[in-house]
Amino acid sequence: NAGVTQTPKFQVLKTGQSMTLQCAQDMNHNSMYWYRQDPGMGLRLIYYSASEGTTDKGEVPNGYNVSRLNKREFSLRLESAAPSQTSVYFCASSERWAWYEQYFGPGTRLTVT
Amino acid sequence: SQELEQSPQSLIVQEGKNLTINCTSSKTLYGLYWYKQKYGEGLIFLMMLQKGGEEKSHEKITAKLDEKKQQSSLHITASQPSHAGIYLCGADEDSNYQLIWGAGTKLIIKP
Repeated sequence: NAGVTQTPKFQVLKTGQSMTLQCAQDMNHNSMYWYRQDPGMGLRLIYYSASEGTTDKGEVPNGYNVSRLNKREFSLRLESAAPSQTSVYFCASSERWAWYEQYFGPGTRLTVT
Repeated sequence: SQELEQSPQSLIVQEGKNLTINCTSSKTLYGLYWYKQKYGEGLIFLMMLQKGGEEKSHEKITAKLDEKKQQSSLHITASQPSHAGIYLCGADEDSNYQLIWGAGTKLIIKP
């Protein structure tokens, strides 16, 4: 039982490049989330998927797109990376009825130069 | 919009000592959630508080929500090296699935 897995763990991009962050969970959770964490700012929600087939914007969705590929997988895409997107990205999942109890992946540390 | 302020930002405590971390909201809280983050890892859910005056414990960690539901404190008794990490409080606004987070309190335990 791996929980929530994220790939890659580290990534360096140049401004304007694109990439997709992958997330998968094996807990049969309905809901999944993407956050970014910046020093001194806590976590900020980028997008979430309350259930398979639905996605919604969070607090900071600009510059990102998501895909809920199936119940297990939720990907985050940066179409044209900017230095302001340098951050640590976390994926999380939860039961729909206990959405506040979220299980987090280990994170992806992204640097955009 | 709701904001959560955590204090202190960082804390260095001698092993075995007690400590308290605070989380204050600009609005009345519907639910308050404590998480812990080990350095370089994801967050782990500790506990949820929803009722004014509620108190919950998880091992040697106790959290309380005040009667007005605008402040929560997290208290660690007889701190151990395993308590080191970053403690974050989260709260929900009127919509589900979206948590607002405090900036975190970094806890270092000195042996």
